[in-house]
Amino acid sequence: DAGVIQSPRHEVTEMGQEVTLRCKPISGHDYLFWYRQTMMRGLELLIYFNNNVPIDDSGMPEDRFSAKMPNASFSTLKIQPSEPRDSAVYFCASSRDRRQETQYFGPGTRLLVL
Amino acid sequence: EDKVVQSPLSLVVHEGDTVTLNCSYEVTNFRSLLWYKQEKKAPTFLFMLTSSGIEKKSGRLSSILDKKELFSILNITATQTGDSAIYLCAVESTSYDKVIFGPGTSLSVIP
Repeated sequence: DAGVIQSPRHEVTEMGQEVTLRCKPISGHDYLFWYRQTMMRGLELLIYFNNNVPIDDSGMPEDRFSAKMPNASFSTLKIQPSEPRDSAVYFCASSRDRRQETQYFGPGTRLLVL
Repeated sequence: EDKVVQSPLSLVVHEGDTVTLNCSYEVTNFRSLLWYKQEKKAPTFLFMLTSSGIEKKSGRLSSILDKKELFSILNITATQTGDSAIYLCAVESTSYDKVIFGPGTSLSVIP
């Protein structure tokens, strides 16, 4: 199994640009999670999906952030417009159930907004 | 406000030393406490603790939870350079069905 796949691995963009981060969960995993990690705020859960349906998006910082899961094998996290304070590592994780300890994390996307 | 505090924030030790990492928390409707190891990439799960006083052990790593005093410790004995990483503590709450991560302890083990 290839594990959770994220792309791109690194992204550098300018303030105001749209950024799209992508995630392919492990096949058979019904839950998908998006996290953000910064030095200031640590690791934060942004949103999670169950069977492609967003369940809890209360961690999404503001309306500039949106996430979709059009099918069981693909999810996107979009930031529009991006700001320098969005610079962070964004992790996607998937699991068969809601339990925190069963989640498999992807390698992350390191985003730098100039 | 729910929060998770870890100490120390960074630590440098020599190979062979024993280290103790601390995690204290304040959370509504505690469900579990989790420890992760994060090297250069994504966090990897180490332990989940739900009951006080029961030690979880995996090789040179062990952890215990005190639900009365609201803290947990992670012990690493006979440290090796491969233990160098950030160790994250996280707490799950049943009230929000959410997880709150601490800032992490950055451990460096030098030969």
